[in-house]
Amino acid sequence: GAVVSQHPSWVICKSGTSVKIECRSLDFQATTMFWYRQFPKQSLMLMATSNEGSKATYEQGVEKDKFLINHASLTLSTLTVTSAHPEDSSFYICSARQAGSYEQYFGPGTRLTVT
Amino acid sequence: LAKTTQPISMDSYEGQEVNITCSHNNIATNDYITWYQQFPSQGPRFIIQGYKTKVTNEVASLFIPADRKSSTLSLPRVSLSDTAVYYCLVGDIRVGGATNKLIFGTGTLLAVQP
Repeated sequence: GAVVSQHPSWVICKSGTSVKIECRSLDFQATTMFWYRQFPKQSLMLMATSNEGSKATYEQGVEKDKFLINHASLTLSTLTVTSAHPEDSSFYICSARQAGSYEQYFGPGTRLTVT
Repeated sequence: LAKTTQPISMDSYEGQEVNITCSHNNIATNDYITWYQQFPSQGPRFIIQGYKTKVTNEVASLFIPADRKSSTLSLPRVSLSDTAVYYCLVGDIRVGGATNKLIFGTGTLLAVQP
């Protein structure tokens, strides 16, 4: 149980385009989802926290207009990287937590490469 | 949020017990200590969590002294497949708690050799 999936697992896009990454909780309802970014040989950096049905809360230094987060249902959250640039190339990881639980379940990550 | 300090890397050999210590001098009363494991190009995987004393599960043990200013993750008889980055996180992750989110530190890269 408690499986989180991400789609796609990897994506290559051209500079200036937008790309959407999906995060799904497969066997539980996730009232809260988190998005992280991880550069090579670095730790995970929390980007934002999203609660179902409400606006995401972004960490300091993360541009909310560039990284659009939608958490429209209890099993799906999306991260859209708008007007992507090569410096946005990174490993994006989501995690999900269900109501009443403290444990976070992480997705497998999405490798984004912007050319 | 309590900041954590871990060794950047550790080396070990197959079959040995590995202890990774994490310092969290500013841990708050309601903070829990959680350890995650991450393999390259994968999401982190929960290993163990505790508040005080000792916690043991099927894969690891977590030792927390009385002052809670540090914790030690113990991996018994490691194998090559235990080569990964191990993260120590501290926060009040109770439902409705002050932290409500996980902040990752630098982690410890454990390299297990044959």
